[in-house]
Amino acid sequence: AQSVTQLGSHVSVSEGALVLLRCNYSSSVPPYLFWYVQYPNQGLQLLLKYTTGATLVKGINGFEAEFKKSETSFHLTKPSAHMSDAAEYFCAVSSSGGYQKVTFGIGTKLQVIP
Amino acid sequence: EAQVTQNPRYLITVTGKKLTVTCSQNMNHEYMSWYRQDPGLGLRQIYYSMNVEVTDKGDVPEGYKVSRKEKRNFPLILESPSPNQTSLYFCASSKGTGASNSPLHFGNGTRLTVT
Repeated sequence: AQSVTQLGSHVSVSEGALVLLRCNYSSSVPPYLFWYVQYPNQGLQLLLKYTTGATLVKGINGFEAEFKKSETSFHLTKPSAHMSDAAEYFCAVSSSGGYQKVTFGIGTKLQVIP
Repeated sequence: EAQVTQNPRYLITVTGKKLTVTCSQNMNHEYMSWYRQDPGLGLRQIYYSMNVEVTDKGDVPEGYKVSRKEKRNFPLILESPSPNQTSLYFCASSKGTGASNSPLHFGNGTRLTVT
C-alpha cells in the first residue's frame, strides 16, 4: 500500500520569502512522485514530477522538489514567494508496478501575505 | 487545445434523483479516472478505467457507477444520490496504462450538492 502525508494543511509566507511545503510518502515499490497545484475554481495542474534519475526536480513557476529516499520525502520549495503562488498544493505518489494507482495527500493551502 | 471537459460545472439535485456527470478528453488517453475532493480528505479515487470497456473500483466506489464505451468519454453516474455525495468531483486522464509515471490531466471540476 502507498500513502502520502502532507504536514500543514495551511501555510502562510510573506511575499518574497522562502516557500517550503512538506511531503512524506510511503511505498512498497520505487515510487513516482508528483506535485500538483490547484488555483481557485480550477482543476489540478502538474507542477513537477520525479520518476528516476536526478533527485532534484525543477518544475514550472520557479518551484522545485528534492527526492530523498532515506527520508521518504519530496518537499516542494520556491526561493521567493509571489502573490500569484497562493493556491492549494497536492503531493501525490504513484506505484512503479505498471498499474496507475495515484494516491494524493490532503493538500496544503498556501497563503502569501503582501 | 488538449483538455478534459466536464459538465456540468455546478449541479444541485435532490436525494434519489439519478444524475450523470459527463467527462470527455481529446488527447487519445487510455487511462481515465474520477476523484472526489472533500475538505481535510484531499482527493479520493472513485473509479478508474485502463481502456475501453475496462473499469475498476477505486477507494470510494459505493454509490457510483461508470462506463467506458468510447475512449474519449467516461461518465460518472449516481443512480440514487444521497447528501453524503455532496462534493467536488474531478475527472482526469493520462496516457499509457503501464506507465504510472504519466501525469494526470484534470478537468475543471463539478460541484455537486445533494439536498
